[in-house]
Amino acid sequence: DVKVTQSSRYLVKRTGEKVFLECVQDMDHENMFWYRQDPGLGLRLIYFSYDVKMKEKGDIPEGYSVSREKKERFSLILESASTNQTSMYLCASSLSSTSWTGELFFGEGSRLTVL
Amino acid sequence: GDSVTQMEGPVTLSEEAFLTINCTYTATGYPSLFWYVQYPGEGLQLLLKATKADDKGSNKGFEATYRKETTSFHLEKGSVQVSDSAVYFCALSGGATNKLIFGTGTLLAVQP
Repeated sequence: DVKVTQSSRYLVKRTGEKVFLECVQDMDHENMFWYRQDPGLGLRLIYFSYDVKMKEKGDIPEGYSVSREKKERFSLILESASTNQTSMYLCASSLSSTSWTGELFFGEGSRLTVL
Repeated sequence: GDSVTQMEGPVTLSEEAFLTINCTYTATGYPSLFWYVQYPGEGLQLLLKATKADDKGSNKGFEATYRKETTSFHLEKGSVQVSDSAVYFCALSGGATNKLIFGTGTLLAVQP
C-alpha cells in the first residue's frame, strides 16, 4: 500500500516563526501536492511538484514556499507564520500524468495552530 | 474556472437510511469526477470515480453516475451504517494535469 507520511500531526507555533511541514511517500510517485483544509472552504491547493526540484504554484501560494530535493520528500515552508495560517495541512502524492488513474494518496494531515 | 459545488452539511441519518449527497460541477472540456472520503482522524481516500458521461462509479455500496446533461455526480447509498460517518468530498480533474479541484465537503453523521 502507498504510504504518505507527514512528520507532525499537531504543531503549535508563534506568529513570525519559521515552520517546516515534512511529507514523505514510499511509492516512487512523481507528483506531490500540498493542500490546506478549512471548514466551509474544502481543500485548496497551495503548491505542487511534478519532479525533483520542480514546483508550481497552486491556488493559494502566498505566504508559503516548498522544497523538493528528493523524489520522495516534499516540504512546505511557512517563512513567517501568521494566525491566518492556522489550518489542517494535507500532503498528497500521485503517479505521473501519463500514468495517472485519478487517485491521490493523502497523508493523515498536520494540524497547525499559530498563536 | 472549474469548480465543484456540494450540498452543505451536516447530514444526519439513522442507520439503514438512504443517502444522497448532491454534487454539481462547472468545467470546460470533459473532466473526470471523483468522490473522496475522510474518516475521523485520517487523510482523504478515493471512494469512487467516473471518467466519462454516463459512467457509474461504485464502491462499498456507494454509487454515483456522471450526468453530463445536468453536470452532476450525486453520491448515493441505499442503507448507511454508523461506520459511514465521515466527510465526503466531490472533486474533478481535467486537462493535461492531474490536479484535483475539491468541493467544500459534506459531513455525514449516522446514528444507531
